Amino acid sequence: AQSVTQPDIHITVSEGASLELRCNYSYGATPYLFWYVQSPGQGLQLLLKYFSGDTLVQGIKGFEAEFKRSQSSFNLRKPSVHWSDAAEYFCAVGNQAGTALIFGKGTTLSVSS
Amino acid sequence: DAGVIQSPRHEVTEMGQEVTLRCKPISGHDYLFWYRQTMMRGLELLIYFNNNVPIDDSGMPEDRFSAKMPNASFSTLKIQPSEPRDSAVYFCASSLLTGGNTEAFFGQGTRLTVV
Repeated sequence: AQSVTQPDIHITVSEGASLELRCNYSYGATPYLFWYVQSPGQGLQLLLKYFSGDTLVQGIKGFEAEFKRSQSSFNLRKPSVHWSDAAEYFCAVGNQAGTALIFGKGTTLSVSS
Repeated sequence: DAGVIQSPRHEVTEMGQEVTLRCKPISGHDYLFWYRQTMMRGLELLIYFNNNVPIDDSGMPEDRFSAKMPNASFSTLKIQPSEPRDSAVYFCASSLLTGGNTEAFFGQGTRLTVV
Protein backbone atom coordinates (compact mmCIF):
# COMPACT_ATOMS: atom_id res chain seq x y z
CA ALA A 1 0.00 0.00 0.00
CA GLN A 2 1.13 3.52 -0.70
CA SER A 3 1.82 5.53 2.41
CA VAL A 4 3.91 8.23 4.00
CA THR A 5 5.02 7.93 7.61
CA GLN A 6 6.25 10.74 9.78
CA PRO A 7 7.20 8.98 13.01
CA ASP A 8 7.47 12.11 15.13
CA ILE A 9 4.20 13.83 15.95
CA HIS A 10 5.80 16.67 17.90
CA ILE A 11 9.40 17.83 18.20
CA THR A 12 10.83 20.63 20.32
CA VAL A 13 14.18 22.11 19.37
CA SER A 14 16.14 24.91 20.94
CA GLU A 15 16.66 27.97 18.81
CA GLY A 16 19.97 27.68 17.00
CA ALA A 17 20.06 23.90 17.28
CA SER A 18 19.96 21.58 14.31
CA LEU A 19 16.79 19.88 13.15
CA GLU A 20 15.95 16.64 11.41
CA LEU A 21 12.39 15.59 10.63
CA ARG A 22 11.92 12.04 9.50
CA CYS A 23 9.87 10.78 6.61
CA ASN A 24 9.49 7.28 5.22
CA TYR A 25 7.42 6.40 2.21
CA SER A 26 5.97 3.40 0.45
CA TYR A 27 5.17 3.99 -3.20
CA GLY A 28 4.92 1.63 -6.13
CA ALA A 29 6.36 3.88 -8.80
CA THR A 30 9.20 6.38 -8.98
CA PRO A 31 8.51 8.66 -6.05
CA TYR A 32 8.22 12.37 -6.36
CA LEU A 33 8.75 13.65 -2.85
CA PHE A 34 7.77 16.89 -1.20
CA TRP A 35 8.09 18.73 2.08
CA TYR A 36 5.50 21.36 2.92
CA VAL A 37 5.21 23.73 5.88
CA GLN A 38 1.96 24.98 7.33
CA SER A 39 1.64 27.83 9.79
CA PRO A 40 -1.51 28.05 11.93
CA GLY A 41 -4.53 29.07 9.90
CA GLN A 42 -2.56 29.12 6.69
CA GLY A 43 -2.28 27.04 3.59
CA LEU A 44 0.70 24.89 2.75
CA GLN A 45 3.94 26.23 1.38
CA LEU A 46 6.37 24.07 -0.52
CA LEU A 47 9.79 23.89 1.13
CA LEU A 48 11.45 21.60 -1.39
CA LYS A 49 10.85 18.69 -3.70
CA TYR A 50 12.74 15.79 -5.17
CA PHE A 51 11.98 14.57 -8.67
CA SER A 52 15.28 13.11 -9.85
CA GLY A 53 19.03 13.74 -9.94
CA ASP A 54 21.03 14.83 -6.94
CA THR A 55 19.66 13.14 -3.87
CA LEU A 56 20.42 16.13 -1.64
CA VAL A 57 17.86 18.79 -2.34
CA GLN A 58 18.06 22.40 -1.23
CA GLY A 59 14.92 24.32 -0.43
CA ILE A 60 13.75 27.63 0.86
CA LYS A 61 14.41 29.05 4.32
CA GLY A 62 17.66 27.10 4.67
CA PHE A 63 16.06 23.65 4.59
CA GLU A 64 17.46 20.65 2.80
CA ALA A 65 16.39 17.04 2.42
CA GLU A 66 18.13 13.87 1.39
CA PHE A 67 16.49 11.13 -0.65
CA LYS A 68 17.68 7.65 0.30
CA ARG A 69 16.09 5.08 -1.95
CA SER A 70 17.53 2.12 -0.01
CA GLN A 71 15.88 3.35 3.17
CA SER A 72 12.74 4.74 1.50
CA SER A 73 13.39 7.95 3.38
CA PHE A 74 13.31 11.65 2.65
CA ASN A 75 14.36 13.39 5.85
CA LEU A 76 14.25 17.15 6.23
CA ARG A 77 17.14 18.99 7.87
CA LYS A 78 18.12 22.47 8.91
CA PRO A 79 21.46 23.28 10.55
CA SER A 80 20.19 26.09 12.77
CA VAL A 81 16.54 26.54 13.68
CA HIS A 82 14.94 29.95 14.09
CA TRP A 83 11.89 30.71 16.23
CA SER A 84 9.97 31.49 13.04
CA ASP A 85 10.37 27.88 11.92
CA ALA A 86 7.79 26.76 14.47
CA ALA A 87 5.01 25.25 12.36
CA GLU A 88 3.67 21.95 11.13
CA TYR A 89 5.67 20.08 8.52
CA PHE A 90 4.27 17.59 6.05
CA CYS A 91 6.06 15.08 3.91
CA ALA A 92 4.25 13.88 0.81
CA VAL A 93 4.71 11.61 -2.18
CA GLY A 94 3.20 12.32 -5.54
CA ASN A 95 3.59 12.56 -9.27
CA GLN A 96 5.27 14.81 -11.78
CA ALA A 97 2.33 17.16 -11.93
CA GLY A 98 3.36 18.52 -8.57
CA THR A 99 0.50 16.54 -7.17
CA ALA A 100 1.07 15.53 -3.60
CA LEU A 101 -1.06 12.44 -3.63
CA ILE A 102 -0.38 11.09 -0.17
CA PHE A 103 0.56 13.13 2.85
CA GLY A 104 2.09 12.10 6.11
CA LYS A 105 0.24 13.02 9.29
CA GLY A 106 2.63 15.87 9.93
CA THR A 107 5.22 16.82 12.55
CA THR A 108 4.64 19.84 14.74
CA LEU A 109 7.84 21.73 15.43
CA SER A 110 8.14 23.89 18.53
CA VAL A 111 11.18 26.10 19.03
CA SER A 112 12.29 26.95 22.53
CA SER A 113 14.42 29.95 23.41
CA ASP B 1 -0.57 37.10 -9.30
CA ALA B 2 -2.75 36.94 -6.20
CA GLY B 3 -2.23 33.23 -5.80
CA VAL B 4 -4.93 30.62 -5.41
CA ILE B 5 -8.06 32.24 -4.08
CA GLN B 6 -10.64 30.32 -2.12
CA SER B 7 -14.00 31.50 -0.90
CA PRO B 8 -15.45 31.66 1.58
CA ARG B 9 -12.69 31.49 4.19
CA HIS B 10 -15.14 30.27 6.78
CA GLU B 11 -18.49 28.57 6.37
CA VAL B 12 -20.89 27.46 9.06
CA THR B 13 -23.93 25.56 7.94
CA GLU B 14 -26.58 23.30 9.33
CA MET B 15 -26.66 19.62 8.69
CA GLY B 16 -28.56 18.78 5.55
CA GLN B 17 -27.80 22.05 3.80
CA GLU B 18 -25.93 22.32 0.52
CA VAL B 19 -22.46 23.81 0.72
CA THR B 20 -20.43 25.15 -2.19
CA LEU B 21 -16.76 25.95 -1.89
CA ARG B 22 -15.07 27.98 -4.59
CA CYS B 23 -11.58 28.16 -5.97
CA LYS B 24 -9.83 30.41 -8.45
CA PRO B 25 -6.51 28.89 -9.51
CA ILE B 26 -3.44 30.82 -10.55
CA SER B 27 -3.84 32.06 -14.08
CA GLY B 28 -2.22 29.76 -16.63
CA HIS B 29 -2.04 26.74 -14.38
CA ASP B 30 -3.31 23.51 -15.91
CA TYR B 31 -3.78 21.38 -12.79
CA LEU B 32 -6.21 21.98 -9.96
CA PHE B 33 -6.47 19.95 -6.77
CA TRP B 34 -8.94 19.76 -3.91
CA TYR B 35 -7.75 18.54 -0.50
CA ARG B 36 -9.42 18.06 2.86
CA GLN B 37 -7.64 18.38 6.20
CA THR B 38 -8.98 16.97 9.46
CA MET B 39 -7.36 16.14 12.75
CA MET B 40 -8.28 12.49 12.42
CA ARG B 41 -7.35 11.83 8.80
CA GLY B 42 -4.80 14.54 8.10
CA LEU B 43 -4.52 15.87 4.56
CA GLU B 44 -6.34 13.91 1.87
CA LEU B 45 -6.45 14.50 -1.86
CA LEU B 46 -10.10 14.48 -2.92
CA ILE B 47 -9.93 15.09 -6.66
CA TYR B 48 -7.77 16.74 -9.27
CA PHE B 49 -8.29 18.19 -12.70
CA ASN B 50 -6.04 18.64 -15.71
CA ASN B 51 -7.14 21.20 -18.27
CA ASN B 52 -10.57 21.31 -16.61
CA VAL B 53 -11.06 17.54 -16.91
CA PRO B 54 -11.31 15.42 -13.74
CA ILE B 55 -8.40 12.98 -13.72
CA ASP B 56 -8.75 11.18 -10.41
CA ASP B 57 -11.70 11.47 -8.07
CA SER B 58 -10.96 8.34 -6.07
CA GLY B 59 -10.49 10.43 -2.95
CA MET B 60 -13.99 11.84 -3.00
CA PRO B 61 -15.53 10.32 0.11
CA GLU B 62 -19.03 9.65 -1.17
CA ASP B 63 -21.70 10.71 -3.62
CA ARG B 64 -22.63 13.70 -1.52
CA PHE B 65 -19.43 15.30 -2.75
CA SER B 66 -19.08 16.64 -6.27
CA ALA B 67 -16.56 18.90 -7.96
CA LYS B 68 -16.66 20.80 -11.19
CA MET B 69 -14.32 22.93 -13.22
CA PRO B 70 -16.38 24.72 -15.86
CA ASN B 71 -13.42 26.75 -17.08
CA ALA B 72 -9.73 27.25 -16.43
CA SER B 73 -10.26 29.96 -13.86
CA PHE B 74 -12.90 28.48 -11.59
CA SER B 75 -13.73 25.32 -9.70
CA THR B 76 -16.32 24.35 -7.13
CA LEU B 77 -16.59 21.63 -4.54
CA LYS B 78 -20.14 20.92 -3.50
CA ILE B 79 -21.45 18.91 -0.59
CA GLN B 80 -25.12 18.02 -0.68
CA PRO B 81 -26.43 17.26 1.86
CA SER B 82 -23.79 18.25 4.38
CA GLU B 83 -23.14 16.28 7.56
CA PRO B 84 -21.23 17.16 10.76
CA ARG B 85 -18.42 14.75 9.79
CA ASP B 86 -17.75 16.93 6.76
CA SER B 87 -16.40 19.61 9.07
CA ALA B 88 -12.82 20.21 7.97
CA VAL B 89 -10.53 22.64 6.23
CA TYR B 90 -10.76 22.30 2.46
CA PHE B 91 -7.79 23.40 0.39
CA CYS B 92 -7.54 24.10 -3.27
CA ALA B 93 -4.19 24.08 -5.07
CA SER B 94 -3.04 24.62 -8.62
CA SER B 95 0.09 23.89 -10.61
CA LEU B 96 1.58 24.14 -14.07
CA LEU B 97 3.37 21.09 -15.40
CA THR B 98 6.79 22.34 -16.50
CA GLY B 99 8.88 19.25 -17.03
CA GLY B 100 10.19 18.60 -13.56
CA ASN B 101 10.03 22.03 -12.03
CA THR B 102 6.40 21.84 -11.08
CA GLU B 103 5.11 23.25 -7.83
CA ALA B 104 1.58 23.17 -6.50
CA PHE B 105 0.46 26.40 -4.86
CA PHE B 106 -2.15 26.20 -2.12
CA GLY B 107 -4.95 28.55 -1.25
CA GLN B 108 -5.60 29.65 2.30
CA GLY B 109 -8.36 27.10 2.72
CA THR B 110 -12.03 27.15 3.63
CA ARG B 111 -12.87 26.12 7.18
CA LEU B 112 -16.21 24.34 7.03
CA THR B 113 -18.24 23.70 10.15
CA VAL B 114 -21.43 21.67 9.86
CA VAL B 115 -23.63 21.85 12.95
